[in-house]
Amino acid sequence: EPEVTQTPSHQVTQMGQEVILRCVPISNHLYFYWYRQILGQKVEFLVSFYNNEISEKSEIFDDQFSVERPDGSNFTLKIRSTKLEDSAMYFCASTPGGPQHFGDGTRLSIL
Amino acid sequence: AQKITQTQPGMFVQEKEAVTLDCTYDTSDPSYGLFWYKQPSSGEMIFLIYQGSYDQQNATEGRYSLNFQKARKSANLVISASQLGDSAMYFCAMRAPMNRDDKIIFGKGTRLHILP
Repeated sequence: EPEVTQTPSHQVTQMGQEVILRCVPISNHLYFYWYRQILGQKVEFLVSFYNNEISEKSEIFDDQFSVERPDGSNFTLKIRSTKLEDSAMYFCASTPGGPQHFGDGTRLSIL
Repeated sequence: AQKITQTQPGMFVQEKEAVTLDCTYDTSDPSYGLFWYKQPSSGEMIFLIYQGSYDQQNATEGRYSLNFQKARKSANLVISASQLGDSAMYFCAMRAPMNRDDKIIFGKGTRLHILP
């Protein structure tokens, strides 16, 4: 069964550095999402992406965050200047319409 | 405002027993979708089951069923014949309105422990 693939599984970065989290959504899906989960807390929506543009973003998704679909398969989340509070699990999800399928997540640790 | 409430932070259940995880929701949209996800200790999010607000019958997927009570705005997950591998965090989630593929909002989750 097709899966959403996220790399890396774990990223350790110094505070203030830029980080790019990568996702390969399921190939026939049209809608893409990023969520984050701070340790021990619930999953929070960051951004949705459709037709090569952001369709919705949360208040968490400030100017430090950006998303891109650089080619036909990858979907990336960039954090420009990481802060300690960006430490979390980041999930990519995709759907053709209906239930969203999540990747296994990237655990981001900011030192 | 849309909201998902899971009132059970943790549950302990004996193996092979059935378990019900509670979920209530709030939305003013008549069209919405309800989801349950499982998150094992390894961290991934696994889709379990979906219920549409206009579906006449309760959704079932193997040992999982969704007890959908629209008037009470509840969407409880029932796991029959629980197994040790069911130990995980379970999240109830909702998307409203359903005809837009927008964000899912999640509840805080219930941590389920299956005892041997």
